[in-house]
Amino acid sequence: AQSVTQPDIHITVSEGASLELRCNYSYGATPYLFWYVQSPGQGLQLLLKYFSGDTLVQGIKGFEAEFKRSQSSFNLRKPSVHWSDAAEYFCAVGGRGQNFVFGPGTRLSVLP
Amino acid sequence: DAGVIQSPRHEVTEMGQEVTLRCKPISGHNSLFWYRQTMMRGLELLIYFNNNVPIDDSGMPEDRFSAKMPNASFSTLKIQPSEPRDSAVYFCASILLAGGHNEQFFGPGTRLTVL
Repeated sequence: AQSVTQPDIHITVSEGASLELRCNYSYGATPYLFWYVQSPGQGLQLLLKYFSGDTLVQGIKGFEAEFKRSQSSFNLRKPSVHWSDAAEYFCAVGGRGQNFVFGPGTRLSVLP
Repeated sequence: DAGVIQSPRHEVTEMGQEVTLRCKPISGHNSLFWYRQTMMRGLELLIYFNNNVPIDDSGMPEDRFSAKMPNASFSTLKIQPSEPRDSAVYFCASILLAGGHNEQFFGPGTRLTVL
């Protein structure tokens, strides 16, 4: 069965610092991988996705993620965090035509 | 495109009442998902449809919950009778399953409070 873990429930970083959010997945075939962001009181917005090809994918708002098959990981990174990045981040895995599984989320706080 | 539309955005009701949540997916999308989000349980998939047909409803918590998709542009999630533990934010999402581009687009959610 497919599953997603996000080991960090809550992360706090200072504005301008770099960020890495961890995501590990379990999936029986080549996965489709996603990162979503949810601001308070809002729905989920897609940051980036990986289907195939280059394992380093670029997303919106300056985020990127790297797919590492050997580690079953799809970590999200940003070189310099802005205060507006404070939100909840969800990693998800799925396959074509199949249901998605979302991770429990990582809440990001940004210190001024 | 207006994106996924959900109504109402907020619903406050009393225990025992029937609640109906509505969703209009993005035009042309062929799959639709209903999720529930709570602090305790996070984001849970309740049910999803492909081409208006329910594919997996194993996430529907009880018989009090039911979902329909009478056509490609409309879906409902009904709770009857509602209970306080049903209080949550309910999200609808849609997908176009074609050409490998299957990211889900989420609606803004309906915040349900059952008193």
